Amino acid sequence: DQQVKQNSPSLSVQEGRISILNCDYTNSMFDYFLWYKKYPAEGPTFLISISSIKDKNEDGRFTVFLNKSAKHLSLHIVPSQPGDSAVYFCAASASGHDMRFGAGTRLTVKP
Amino acid sequence: NAGVMQNPRHLVRRRGQEARLRCSPMKGHSHVYWYRQLPEEGLKFMVYLQKENIIDESGMPKERFSAEFPKEGPSILRIQQVVRGDSAAYFCASSPNRGLIGDTEAFFGQGTRLTVV
Repeated sequence: DQQVKQNSPSLSVQEGRISILNCDYTNSMFDYFLWYKKYPAEGPTFLISISSIKDKNEDGRFTVFLNKSAKHLSLHIVPSQPGDSAVYFCAASASGHDMRFGAGTRLTVKP
Repeated sequence: NAGVMQNPRHLVRRRGQEARLRCSPMKGHSHVYWYRQLPEEGLKFMVYLQKENIIDESGMPKERFSAEFPKEGPSILRIQQVVRGDSAAYFCASSPNRGLIGDTEAFFGQGTRLTVV
């Protein structure tokens, strides 16, 4: 039962342009959402999060948008840099419960 | 403050042997999560533990897999009688608490790559 879905396995953008990574969820009990970034042979590292009481959270070049009615969130990276090339995982949790992850989207930023 | 430490980083086992994966959470963290990443797949939840308690093991295979997080020492993920399909990267994460809205993120270790030959 895949409660968190990332339907795009890969995304390629040009350096300096915007990267938009999407994530959908099915469990209406989720109230906290996170994005993790993962390089090969390393563990995921936390990037940015948002709670269900907000619809936007911004941290430098990274912004996460949450649309609760659509059960959809997205991560915007602008401007994209080659160092942003990695696999991005969307995760969600319900209060007191563990995180569930999407399958990941491989972002490639071309110089 | 060291991060989440997993060892070994790489583990090779023959079919039928046992694999023991260790995870030392960050200092002050009492919540540990184990995830498995199969090739070309995302992170699959396995088990969530607090000190001496298994909170949620809904992602654990019913047989051959077990996990513990004793009062002292690291969390251990144990796989008995390994098969080729167990080959994967196993990630451990820790967090300091499980609050209500405004939960904290979990910090991941580098992972243990298990290869069953």
